[in-house]
Amino acid sequence: DAKTTQPTSMDCAEGRAANLPCNHSTISGNEYVYWYRQIHSQGPQYIIHGLKNNETNEMASLIITEDRKSSTLILPHATLRDTAVYYCIVRGTTGANSKLTFGKGITLSVRP
Amino acid sequence: DGGITQSPKYLFRKEGQNVTLSCEQNLNHDAMYWYRQDPGQGLRLIYYSQIVNDFQKGDIAEGYSVSREKKESFPLTVTSAQKNPTAFYLCASRRDRVGEAFFGQGTRLTVV
Repeated sequence: DAKTTQPTSMDCAEGRAANLPCNHSTISGNEYVYWYRQIHSQGPQYIIHGLKNNETNEMASLIITEDRKSSTLILPHATLRDTAVYYCIVRGTTGANSKLTFGKGITLSVRP
Repeated sequence: DGGITQSPKYLFRKEGQNVTLSCEQNLNHDAMYWYRQDPGQGLRLIYYSQIVNDFQKGDIAEGYSVSREKKESFPLTVTSAQKNPTAFYLCASRRDRVGEAFFGQGTRLTVV
């Protein structure tokens, strides 16, 4: 079973920030938080990952709470092309714990 | 160009026939994965391999088989024992214990 819980769906207006929440209350100390997204009928695309500290790249920012039990993916200026299913995944680095296990994700709809 | 390639994009087979899906990567990644996705659902892990000549069952391995004779290749065979083989199949590879996974564009298998 996936180690994360996400809302089923959300929407936001084009040009506004999209804040996608994820709960991972059972995360272990050596497990990372990863975000991927999947546009319809394509393979998932990596967005960002983090362990403890907040992270930022050209696509998004990842904010991880101090207790690491939840995180938020921020798309700073959402566009129509950001409409996709976003998956939050917790993964370790060794053995069976290192496999990527996907839940159902959150469907983000960006409206004009 | 470097990447992960799945072929073919669409595949049709008659019920009772085995079929092999191809997955090739030239990224020099050690780990490779196979996922299945049904309409409206998330990805489910079929098999994964962390190194050449070694692989492990994922969550839904029954009716599938794999081999990992070369680092670059991780073919998936859908056998006649798989009760509901019609699905979207995705292959992924990952460089190291922490790095992100790269996905192919998928093979849509239809069994009639």
